[in-house]
Amino acid sequence: SYELTQPPSVSVSPGQTASITCSGNELGATYACWYQQKPGQSPILVIFQDNKRPSGIPERFSGSNSGNTATLTISGTQAMDEADYYCQAWDSSTVAFGGGTKLTVL
Amino acid sequence: QLQLQESGPGLVKPSETLSLTCTVSGGPIRSNTYYWGWIRQPPGKELEWIGSIYYSGNTYYKPSLKSRVTISIDTSKNQFSLKVRSVTAADTAVYFCARDRHDYGGKGVYNWFDPWGQGTLVTVSS
Repeated sequence: SYELTQPPSVSVSPGQTASITCSGNELGATYACWYQQKPGQSPILVIFQDNKRPSGIPERFSGSNSGNTATLTISGTQAMDEADYYCQAWDSSTVAFGGGTKLTVL
Repeated sequence: QLQLQESGPGLVKPSETLSLTCTVSGGPIRSNTYYWGWIRQPPGKELEWIGSIYYSGNTYYKPSLKSRVTISIDTSKNQFSLKVRSVTAADTAVYFCARDRHDYGGKGVYNWFDPWGQGTLVTVSS
């Protein structure tokens, strides 16, 4: 099965840029997407097709994907962005999720 | 606005079958654009995709769960369902249903889940 690896935690100061990585074998050869999940809530899609934002997602969320790593970048991070973030990709007719990264804004 | 809602028992005994239904409102489940998926999340742990189904009944499952899982669809009721057989404590999780959008780009087939239901906790315990 395809494995996606994320750092367990990332910390960022308010107003600064947060970068969350997702690593997988030749991940850049497929498309990645990202979800935000706050405690007790269901995930919401924040990035799809590597770098596209769904309607309603703030412009401070952006994505990239190259080589073996996809990256979710949050510019001007706000306290409301504190959450768990999961990457996801499609591989060989199955779906893989990363292990999740807890973003702390402090 | 499309909404999904999971329903089913919150407690299942070990070795029995877990059964959940997802009711879709605000749009037809019979669509040639979307699959419909199940994802679960054990308490405090990561998301795990279980499987997805197309309105025609075509399914694809996580290989490690395939032997115990069945996903079905009822387009007349705008619902799709999940059954997990021979459950153990390891199947205790919040179960989410979600719309599974597939597309094709320069790098081939890809997918994403949006929107998601609110999730329902299923505990496996005697």
